[in-house]
Amino acid sequence: GNSVTQMEGPVTLSEEAFLTINCTYTATGYPSLFWYVQYPGEGLQLLLKATKADDKGSNKGFEATYRKETTSFHLEKGSVQVSDSAVYFCAPSFPAGGTSYGKLTFGQGTILTVHP
Amino acid sequence: EPEVTQTPSHQVTQMGQEVILRCVPISNHLYFYWYRQILGQKVEFLVSFYNNEISEKSEIFDDQFSVERPDGSNFTLKIRSTKLEDSAMYFCASHEQRNTGELFFGEGSRLTVL
Repeated sequence: GNSVTQMEGPVTLSEEAFLTINCTYTATGYPSLFWYVQYPGEGLQLLLKATKADDKGSNKGFEATYRKETTSFHLEKGSVQVSDSAVYFCAPSFPAGGTSYGKLTFGQGTILTVHP
Repeated sequence: EPEVTQTPSHQVTQMGQEVILRCVPISNHLYFYWYRQILGQKVEFLVSFYNNEISEKSEIFDDQFSVERPDGSNFTLKIRSTKLEDSAMYFCASHEQRNTGELFFGEGSRLTVL
């Protein structure tokens, strides 16, 4: 079946540290892959996406590469800021029949706290 | 910038009461969703809605739940007889085109069932 496993948190870093949040999936097909972010008191926002193998999604200094061979989509940022403190969700969209193209399967979320 | 809006932001209700959560999706979007997040747990898919009917629903979305788009702008989630375990944050989402997972989410409605 289809599933997603996301690195557990919380993750606490100092400003300018390197960030990696791991995400792997199992799928019978080829999902589209997304990272969503939830800042304190706000809703979920799309951070980046990749829809086919070897695609790299990037936004706000964050990157993730669609690795079909390892079924992974790890989120990275070279130098985090205090303003990056949020909850990060890996969320594949597994292909299926019908019209639920926006049906996402969310990982458990990783709380990131960045200290000055 | 267009956004998905949800009301109320927080509702407290007694067990057994009916609750309606309201959402106004982005105006040109055609696909609508409800997700929920129980405190400390994953965000879970509840239901998708397109062309005035349910496209897909999860096991969570039992007979106590219903959705409708009564007037072409609002998209509502009704829980007929709330249970304690319905306490959660409920997120509405929408998107414009097929074949995308790029959802636009509202800020959520927190439901507390006492």
